[in-house]
Amino acid sequence: QAGLTQPPSVSKGLRQTATLTCTGHSTNVGNQGALWLQQNQGHPPKVLSFRNNDRPSGISERISAATSGSTASLTINGLQPEDEADYYCSAWDMSLNAWVFGGGTKLTVL
Amino acid sequence: EVQLVESGGSLVQPGGSLRLSCTASGLTFSGRWMHWVRQAPGKGLEWVSGINSDGSGTFYADSVKGRLTISKDDAKNTVFLQMNSLRGEDTAVYYCTDVDAYWGQGALVTVSS
Repeated sequence: QAGLTQPPSVSKGLRQTATLTCTGHSTNVGNQGALWLQQNQGHPPKVLSFRNNDRPSGISERISAATSGSTASLTINGLQPEDEADYYCSAWDMSLNAWVFGGGTKLTVL
Repeated sequence: EVQLVESGGSLVQPGGSLRLSCTASGLTFSGRWMHWVRQAPGKGLEWVSGINSDGSGTFYADSVKGRLTISKDDAKNTVFLQMNSLRGEDTAVYYCTDVDAYWGQGALVTVSS
């Protein structure tokens, strides 16, 4: 099953802004949006943003998500050391009846 | 607080079988789609299987179709993944999740002789 496309890595400086992208298709991201997950080494994924781009309770206001057509983006403002992690996007694909994931972006905070 | 707890992960020989369970507290599976997502060592997330809210429909990734079976028992608030004919490439941490919001801690399945 075809997945979503994410850049493998992004590096930004402390207190800078990082924007991560996720490209899908009309049957997935373009249909119901994408959710974003953060994963630290050895831990399960944590939802940062719902498919409607809202943040779950407890997620920092420095994090925001948006969708334009079949491309989703996650923006993290004022980067902190604790933002260094792997970030995945995911969407429900209506033609596959399956969740599809991006390959993940490793965010490095310099 | 919602908790999803997976159990049943272990070391199994190629061709063997295993049954994973996922039990929830603070959350009811009734009326909710549930899924299994796996992550091979050092790799990304891969959706494996899902079951719809009333249990009448099950869905599988092509890589596991015919070998893995998802089911759920709403009365016990438990989701299962029966894994047969296991292969080395099935080695992964298996997460029980609704994907949208809640994820378990994961169960490690290692397929090796």
